[in-house]
Formats: sequence, structure tokens, C-alpha cells
Amino acid sequence: QSVLTQPPSVSGAPGQRVTISCTGSSSNIGAGYDVHWYQQLPGTAPKLLIYANNNRPSGVPDRFSGSKSGTSASLAITGLQAEDEADYYCQSYDRSLSRVFGTGTKVTVL
Amino acid sequence: EVQLLESGGGLVQPGGSLRLSCAASGFTFSSYAMGWVRQAPGKGLEWVSTISSSGDYTWYADSVKGRFTLSRDQSKNTLFLQMNSLRAEDTAVYYCAKDSGRSGWYFDYWGQGTPVTVSS
Repeated sequence: QSVLTQPPSVSGAPGQRVTISCTGSSSNIGAGYDVHWYQQLPGTAPKLLIYANNNRPSGVPDRFSGSKSGTSASLAITGLQAEDEADYYCQSYDRSLSRVFGTGTKVTVL
Repeated sequence: EVQLLESGGGLVQPGGSLRLSCAASGFTFSSYAMGWVRQAPGKGLEWVSTISSSGDYTWYADSVKGRFTLSRDQSKNTLFLQMNSLRAEDTAVYYCAKDSGRSGWYFDYWGQGTPVTVSS
């Protein structure tokens, strides 16, 4: 049971910018807990994409960026590429449930 | 290079038990919390359990509390998930994951996963 809500899907043409929202509540994102993002390419394990709201691990292209405000967070992909087609999940901490994931968003490159 | 290799998945009947293992390498295992995350077929990620670096503390999702037990063997750099009273809804790919060790409660490395199917 996910407590963080994401849009089921977003799409864009190559080179475009897309954003994915992650909506929580006052017991998780709104309580000040950091938001992290994972990318899951088809048939593979999740991979850390953004940590602590807006930080990229080594090796992650700078076309991926994150932000957080209030009870929500967003992931932006600028200069969309075919290899970005994947599922994306946000994750935070919730006072009652420990670590919580978003519902997941499938990004399609048109 | 951090590596997490899960094993122990398979087919089990409802009510049965299974023990998953995760062999870790490439980092100081005893210094990091570890956890399991699962993904049911065609569904999203669900956090299952986390264990502290020392092994003294464990946390569980309500959906598995009282049925699953997480432990670690520091001498063997291995994480274990004992799953009892399995239900059909426990069917999923189970991923072992390493905590970042930084504030923020997130996993920075994941294994490739081991599938668990609960069916008669």
C-alpha cells in the first residue's frame, strides 16, 4: 500500500522535458523527510537516481534533477532520450510505516 | 564494487516457509543497515524490512510483521530473510538492498532480485 502518489505514466518526444510528481502528506514528505528517486529499466533491478531531494549519485547524467516543496516532490528529465524509457519511483520515510515508495510512473519516449 | 547476490527464492505452497539469503561484497558489511524490498508481478515497489548495521534493531512492514524475520551474519557478510506462513500475496521478486549510511533513509545499491511464488 503506497502512501506516495505518482502519475501512472508520462510521455514525451526525444529532447523534450518531462516531470514526475510525487505527492505525500504531513507524516512523510511534509514532515521534512528527504525524497529519493529510483529508475527501473525493463527487466532490471531499481537503481538510485536522485537522493536527498536533489542530489545525483556519481554517473547519473545531469539531465535528471529533483526538487521538493511542502508535501510533494518532483523529478525532471530534460533532453529526454530513448534510454530514459523506464519506471520511476519516489521514496521517503513515513513516521508510521518506515520507508515508503511511490506508486511508480512509467516514462514513455515517443 | 558493491555486489549483492540474492538466493533462496522459489515455489512454495501457501502456509509454507522460505529463507532468502543475500551475500554482500565490496563494502564493510557490518557498517551499514540492510533491507529487503519486493515487487509483485506488474506492480510497484514495496518496502519489506530493514535491519540496523549491528543487527540489534529490525523494522517490518505491517504486511509481513509477525511472519517474516530479518537477520544478518556479520562473519559471513550475509543477510537472511526468514519467511513463514506465506500467502499468495507474498508472491514477488525480492530485492536485497544496502542502506546508504547517510541521513535520509534510502538504499544506494540493490541486488538483482530473487523470485518467490506462493501457490498450490
